Amino acid sequence: ILNVEQSPQSLHVQEGDSTNFTCSFPSSNFYALHWYRWETAKSPEALFVMTLNGDEKKKGRISATLNTKEGYSYLYIKGSQPEDSATYLCAFQSADSWGKLQFGAGTQVVVTP
Amino acid sequence: DGGITQSPKYLFRKEGQNVTLSCEQNLNHDAMYWYRQDPGQGLRLIYYSQIVNDFQKGDIAEGYSVSREKKESFPLTVTSAQKNPTAFYLCASSTKDRGSGNQPQHFGDGTRLSIL
Repeated sequence: ILNVEQSPQSLHVQEGDSTNFTCSFPSSNFYALHWYRWETAKSPEALFVMTLNGDEKKKGRISATLNTKEGYSYLYIKGSQPEDSATYLCAFQSADSWGKLQFGAGTQVVVTP
Repeated sequence: DGGITQSPKYLFRKEGQNVTLSCEQNLNHDAMYWYRQDPGQGLRLIYYSQIVNDFQKGDIAEGYSVSREKKESFPLTVTSAQKNPTAFYLCASSTKDRGSGNQPQHFGDGTRLSIL
């Protein structure tokens, strides 16, 4: 079982502040890195699927970067809003896994007004 | 609307009993997955299926069984051999086309299983 780590485990952010957190994954046999947002009482929702080293993706105020050589990805939230409160999951897909994802435990983000 | 439906939302199991969790999708996805979530841990893969009538064990398959008789359906049975079944179970699906990059997985709302 591959090791996918997310840090911090949780963080509290004031509304309007920006924040970021990390996903680390094996640097060998990389195929893709997925980010999901999981709001309470809802199902996880896909944010990004990243495949290229140096890739940067953006969706509204949320963006992500990818470094496959060193095995990490950052997710950024700019100008956090209460609706950004959720658990953010990253998942690593290796080249020989076909669609199978290894998930990190998630970073829980709480945005307070 | 297209999506994944899991039922029931809450399920209780008695000792020695098998229970089945339902997962249905109308997204026309070839691949389907079952995950288990325990507090403080990432989602762990129980079983997955790439195509009808075929499925493979994931990382924690012991005590579970699945079937894939129809493209739309991928039920999970938690057998009495699963000694610690209390958890939150998520079903997901994705397209199978790997050539176009990678497709995200789409998730249901989950089933919470508890022991009576």
